[in-house]
Amino acid sequence: GAGVSQSPRYKVAKRGQDVALRCDPISGHVSLFWYQQALGQGPEFLTYFQNEAQLDKSGLPSDRFFAERPEGSVSTLKIQRTQQEDSAVYLCASSLAPGVQETQYFGPGTRLLVL
Amino acid sequence: GDSVTQMEGPVTLSEEAFLTINCTYTATGYPSLFWYVQYPGEGLQLLLKATKADDKGSNKGFEATYRKETTSFHLEKGSVQVSDSAVYFCALAGTSYGKLTFGQGTILTVHP
Repeated sequence: GAGVSQSPRYKVAKRGQDVALRCDPISGHVSLFWYQQALGQGPEFLTYFQNEAQLDKSGLPSDRFFAERPEGSVSTLKIQRTQQEDSAVYLCASSLAPGVQETQYFGPGTRLLVL
Repeated sequence: GDSVTQMEGPVTLSEEAFLTINCTYTATGYPSLFWYVQYPGEGLQLLLKATKADDKGSNKGFEATYRKETTSFHLEKGSVQVSDSAVYFCALAGTSYGKLTFGQGTILTVHP
């Protein structure tokens, strides 16, 4: 079956521009996560959705970052007034249900470069 | 808070050599432990996992045992192949809903 998909795969933005990154999770997956991966580092948690509810946004680095999942499926991560330090790969992952034992399935990521 | 520490890399081995990548963690409660792998040009994928102490996860010849007494989850493989060249990430899920905390990753290169 289809895995997690993300679009665009690559995005180049000028400093100060707004960007929107899309994630299509595996159908029926309740949990959806966003992570940020800097070059040469492990992914770091940004935010978590259970269905349409955003239950944890403690990892969002500033109020320029905003995420939504209005119908409990597709999610969008929006970054306003992008800065060079926002350059990273943004990963989306989904799992069938909440829980520490659940496997998260990752998308290919969106590589964002802010010039 | 939760944290994961992986051995410094990169690791370079010859084909058929024995592999160990060390991973230790700090967490409250009873986390689950994971190894994820990222092959060149591909996304992160689960390699193996263990959900409670003394469990052994295994897949594709790789193994790791959840050691609560040493807070470790070291990855091992008896005979590596060139196709095992990738970046390996140790991770833990410690919150009720499964948020992952990752180590910094270890680059493995296997030469023929």
